[in-house]
Amino acid sequence: AQSVTQLGSHVSVSEGALVLLRCNYSSSVPPYLFWYVQYPNQGLQLLLKYTSAATLVKVINGFEADFKKSETSFHLTKPSAHMSDAAEYFCAVLSGGYNKLIFGAGTRLAVHP
Amino acid sequence: NAGVTQTPKFRVLKTGQSMTLLCAQDMNHEYMYWYRQDPGMGLRLIHYSVGEGTTAKGEVPDGYNVSRLKKQNFLLGLESAAPSQTSVYFCATTQRGVGTGELFFGEGSRLTVL
Repeated sequence: AQSVTQLGSHVSVSEGALVLLRCNYSSSVPPYLFWYVQYPNQGLQLLLKYTSAATLVKVINGFEADFKKSETSFHLTKPSAHMSDAAEYFCAVLSGGYNKLIFGAGTRLAVHP
Repeated sequence: NAGVTQTPKFRVLKTGQSMTLLCAQDMNHEYMYWYRQDPGMGLRLIHYSVGEGTTAKGEVPDGYNVSRLKKQNFLLGLESAAPSQTSVYFCATTQRGVGTGELFFGEGSRLTVL
């Protein structure tokens, strides 16, 4: 069964610092992986996704994700944090049924001046 | 366009009461999903639908029922609410399934069961 684990429920960085949000996945098939972002009192929005075609799709607001098959990781990075990046971030993997996303527990990012 | 609209946005119930959450979408999407979000647990799939007239169970379906009589609407019902169902509920839609498309979420419905 597919699953994701997000390391660290809370991450705090200074404005302008590197953002690194960690996600490890478990999948018995080539994974489709996603990062979603949730701003306060809103629903989730797709940040980016990675498909089995080894293509990273839809990079938003300077965020990138590094897929490493050997480490079963899909960490989210941004070189320089902005105050507006403060939100909760969810890693997700497509389940074997291909109709469902399995979400991680989420990481809340705080950005301070 | 409204996108994905959830009704109601807030509700307080007593244990044993019933209620229905409505998700309405105007994007003509085939797939619709109901998730619940609880602190430290992320989003868990309750039920989903791959088209009008179809429904299927997700990870945590017990205590919930759903119906998709019209393509644009996906209803989530609680027949006898329990405190364990206190949560924020999100509806999401996509045109061709989550693997090929993007999930669009509503703004959530906060339910408290006393």
